[in-house]
Formats: sequence, structure tokens, C-alpha cells
Amino acid sequence: DTGVSQNPRHKITKRGQNVTFRCDPISEHNRLYWYRQTLGQGPEFLTYFQNEAQLEKSRLLSDRFSAERPKGSFSTLEIQRTEQGDSAMYLCASRTSGRAPSSTDTQYFGPGTRLTVL
Amino acid sequence: AQSVTQPDIHITVSEGASLELRCNYSYGATPYLFWYVQSPGQGLQLLLKYFSGDTLVQGIKGFEAEFKRSQSSFNLRKPSVHWSDAAEYFCAVGPYGNKLVFGAGTILRVKS
Repeated sequence: DTGVSQNPRHKITKRGQNVTFRCDPISEHNRLYWYRQTLGQGPEFLTYFQNEAQLEKSRLLSDRFSAERPKGSFSTLEIQRTEQGDSAMYLCASRTSGRAPSSTDTQYFGPGTRLTVL
Repeated sequence: AQSVTQPDIHITVSEGASLELRCNYSYGATPYLFWYVQSPGQGLQLLLKYFSGDTLVQGIKGFEAEFKRSQSSFNLRKPSVHWSDAAEYFCAVGPYGNKLVFGAGTILRVKS
């Protein structure tokens, strides 16, 4: 179990540029979540996948945001035409999906990608 | 709608003193409740969780939390704080298997 990994850890970009982040979940986890965390706030849900299917998207996820999980393993989150308000920590989490609560019902978080838009 | 309130933005305690971090939630069904800890620049680490059963749950690093349905609370406690406990603590609620709703967090400072 190598944990959830995210790349890059830090990204600085200029307003209007596109950025893409990658998340590699724990290998046997079929659910993958993206959250955004701004300074002084808790993480806010953006979207989640079960295998390759994107099952829910938050209203926070504007048209400039797109997420994919093409093979049900790693996921990418792309932000087009970045704005200064997109500056935040982007967190990825993964978990298994069972039919009843169990010790596996935990979202394991990666270290995050900190985005700064200048 | 689901929501989580952590009334204390900052808490400072002396090393060795006891700690209680407050969490109140609003949720229409049986809640699944979590406490996570975040060190600066890091992701979230799960401390403990409550799904059902015994309302007093034990977690890692000597933390425990008590679920009180009548008060819609899930407060985190530790009998003796260590300097390494300084971090930000988040309470979260969610339905089974779905997204989590987090509180705004409580920053814990530990005085030596």
C-alpha cells in the first residue's frame, strides 16, 4: 500500500493558462474523489468516480473544470483558462466501495496539489 | 442539507493538558462521522470514524470521540496533548460511501 499520490505537488501558473493535475489512487480502490481546499476552509467536494464513470459533480465544478479517469485507475483534473480564484489546494482521495459499512469505508487522501494563479 | 460546524477556529492548550475539539453536524439520516488531521502543506490523515454501535470511538494517536445524537455532536478528545499534535483538525459527515462534507477546521496550538 503506497498511498494516494498526486502530481505535481505545487503548480504556479499565469491567469488564463491551462493546468492539469494527476492523482494515482491506492491500487485496489475503485472510488476516487476530488476536493478543493481554500485557505482557512475545509475541503469542498468537486467530483467523484466509480471506476471510470463520473457519478457526481458539484456545482463548484464550472465548465472550465474537467476530470477524467479513463481506465479506472489514475485520474486527471484539468482547469482551463485559470483564474486567480482557482488558487487552492486540490486534494484527491480514494476508497473501496462495499455494500455495507466496514473498516474499509474510509477515504484516504493524497498530499494535494497546491495551485497558485498569478 | 448536510453541514458541519466547528465553532473554534483556534485553540491553544499547554502540553500535557487535556483537549476537546467541538463538532456539530446537520444531517437528515444516520450520519457517518469522521475526524481528520492535517499538518501544514500535507493531505488529510484519518484519526477516527463513527458508523454505528458504541458511541465512544477510539482512534489513532490516543484520540477518541463521542457521538451524541441528541446534541448532533461528535467532539474529539485527548487526555494529554503532545507538542506533535499541533495541526489543523477537520470534522466531516457523509452518507455511506459518498462525498464528505467538512467543517472549516480547528487549528490546534500547543504551548510548551
